[in-house]
Amino acid sequence: KAGVTQTPRYLIKTRGQQVTLSCSPISGHRSVSWYQQTPGQGLQFLFEYFSETQRNKGNFPGRFSGRQFSNSRSEMNVSTLELGDSALYLCASSLGAGEKTFFGQGTRLTVV
Amino acid sequence: LAKTTQPISMDSYEGQEVNITCSHNNIATNDYITWYQQFPSQGPRFIIQGYKTKVTNEVASLFIPADRKSSTLSLPRVSLSDTAVYYCLVGDVVGNTPLVFGKGTRLSVIA
Repeated sequence: KAGVTQTPRYLIKTRGQQVTLSCSPISGHRSVSWYQQTPGQGLQFLFEYFSETQRNKGNFPGRFSGRQFSNSRSEMNVSTLELGDSALYLCASSLGAGEKTFFGQGTRLTVV
Repeated sequence: LAKTTQPISMDSYEGQEVNITCSHNNIATNDYITWYQQFPSQGPRFIIQGYKTKVTNEVASLFIPADRKSSTLSLPRVSLSDTAVYYCLVGDVVGNTPLVFGKGTRLSVIA
């Protein structure tokens, strides 16, 4: 069974640009969450989707957005990139409430 | 959200048993306890999850006392490849709140 797949694995963008990251959850998983990980702040929750609806949202500016499709695949978008957005972005999926959560390998975003 | 407190770092020699304790004093009735392992530049990997007493799987054991205000992850006979950051998380079984990661414990296994 394939794990959580994130694409691309690495990305370099320029300040002011926008970026879209993709996540394919484990087959059958309907919950998808996104996290940002930086050396200074650690792992921080961005948002969670369940059956195409955003169920929880972390404390990030509106430049960070996401969506989930009917096949449970998810995308997150960051507009007007800032240097501080450089981070490892992690996607996680689970069957639903209280179930084990599995993480992807992440997308390493570098903003220059 | 129940906050967790773990040691920042621990060192161990190969072959020893390592116990990492996590404090979660305000854990709620609906909360369960989960531990993750993370290697550099990789996503966290699920290790073990429990609600009370003891849970054991092929890689670790999780001990939870009756008051559930703490938990201990036990790694038997660690090897160099167990060098990683270990996170203790507390989350409700209903799924109303997302998983909240603390700073984790950086375990260094020495030959």
